[in-house]
Amino acid sequence: DQQVKQNSPSLSVQEGRISILNCDYTNSMFDYFLWYKKYPAEGPTFLISISSIKDKNEDGRFTVFLNKSAKHLSLHIVPSQPGDSAVYFCAASTYGTGNQFYFGTGTSLTVIP
Amino acid sequence: DAGVTQSPTHLIKTRGQQVTLRCSPKSGHDTVSWYQQALGQGPQFIFQYYEEEERQRGNFPDRFSGHQFPNYSSELNVNALLLGDSALYLCASSFPGHLSAGANVLTFGAGSRLTVL
Repeated sequence: DQQVKQNSPSLSVQEGRISILNCDYTNSMFDYFLWYKKYPAEGPTFLISISSIKDKNEDGRFTVFLNKSAKHLSLHIVPSQPGDSAVYFCAASTYGTGNQFYFGTGTSLTVIP
Repeated sequence: DAGVTQSPTHLIKTRGQQVTLRCSPKSGHDTVSWYQQALGQGPQFIFQYYEEEERQRGNFPDRFSGHQFPNYSSELNVNALLLGDSALYLCASSFPGHLSAGANVLTFGAGSRLTVL
């Protein structure tokens, strides 16, 4: 039962352009969302979060958008840089569950110089 | 400030054996969660420890067990290993751990890569 889905296994973008990574979820009780980046042989690194009381959160080149009615969130990276090439995971949790997160299967982003 | 450290980084076992993985949380964190990441998949929640007790558990059999020590470090034990247990096992810590605090960002270690032959 995959409650968080990332339907694009891979994405290639030219350096300097925008990268858009998408994530869909099925559980309407999810109210806190995280994006992680993972390089090979390393653990996932936290990028940005958003709670369900917001529809947008920005941090530098990274912006996360949340559409609760569509149960959809997206991560925008502008401008994309070669160092952004990694696997990106979205994760979702529900208040009161003690930080139990459900992860998507990841999207491998390649930024072409 | 050391982040989350895990040991060993790699290990190979045979079917039926038992394995213990170890995790030291980030300084100041009181909650430890364990995740299993199979090849090509996202991390799957195994269980979480807070105040030395298992608080939440994902859809994993009883062969998977754990422990949290007074210094907040944790162990993951897997008994009667199966081929399907081959995966990257990730430890993540967070703070604060009490449920009223809501969800918090997880800080992950680099993982322990388990191969079962």
